[in-house]
Amino acid sequence: QVQLVESGGGVVQPGRSLRLSCAASGFTFSYHFIHWVRQAPGKGLEWVSVISKDGVNKYYADSVKGRFTMSRDNSQNTVYLQMNSLRTEDTAVYYCARDQSSCSGGTCGWWFDPWGQGTLVTVSS
Amino acid sequence: SSELTQDPAVSVALGQTVRITCQGDSLRKFYAGWYQQKPGQAPVLVIYGKNNRPSGIPDRFSGSNSGNTASLTITGAQAEDEADYYCNSRDRSDNVWLFGGGTKLTVL
Repeated sequence: QVQLVESGGGVVQPGRSLRLSCAASGFTFSYHFIHWVRQAPGKGLEWVSVISKDGVNKYYADSVKGRFTMSRDNSQNTVYLQMNSLRTEDTAVYYCARDQSSCSGGTCGWWFDPWGQGTLVTVSS
Repeated sequence: SSELTQDPAVSVALGQTVRITCQGDSLRKFYAGWYQQKPGQAPVLVIYGKNNRPSGIPDRFSGSNSGNTASLTITGAQAEDEADYYCNSRDRSDNVWLFGGGTKLTVL
C-alpha cells in the first residue's frame, strides 16, 4: 500500500543539527513532490518545506529558511530534511506527506495524501 | 504570504449537520484540502479539489467553495467524527503552502 515512514527524530540541544528521513513505498516516488509539515505540542499544523520531483526546486517556510534543507534520493525512494541551528521552537512532530494536485473548471488544488506517522523532534538543553 | 482562518471550535449534536469554514485570499484562486486529525494520529485527507472524497471516507463528508471561503460539511455527524479539522491550500502568490489554524469539532 502507499506508505510514508519518517525516522531520525530525537532530543537535541539548541544550536545542534538533526537529519530526518522519509521513506516511501507503494507508488512511483519520482512522480511526486514531497512536503514536510510539523506540529508543535498542542498546536496546529505548520507547513515546513517541499521538494520537486527531480529535487531541483525546494521551497521553505520563512520560519526555517536558511536553516533547513530538503533533499531526495529517487533511487532510494527517500526524502531528507537536514535541520541545522535548531531552536526550542522547532520542537514538534514532523510529518512527511505526498503532494497531489488536480485542476477542475480552471481552478487547481493541491493536497497532501498520504501522511507518514510522524517523528518527534525535541530541542532542549 | 496570506493566511487561512478557521473557527477554533465547533460543536454539533449527534446526527445533525455541521459546517466548518476556512477563509483566505488564496481560496479565490485555489481549492482547499481538508484533513481530519484525531489525538495521537497523523492527519487524514477527507476532502480535496472541488468536492472529492478519497477512498474510504464516508459520503457524509462534503466540500464546497465560494469566493474566499471553503467549507467542509458533515451531514449526520457521528461520534467518530469528533476530531480536529484543518484546511490547506497553496499560497496565492508564493511557492508556499498554508494551513488553517484548525477547528476542534465536538459531537454532543
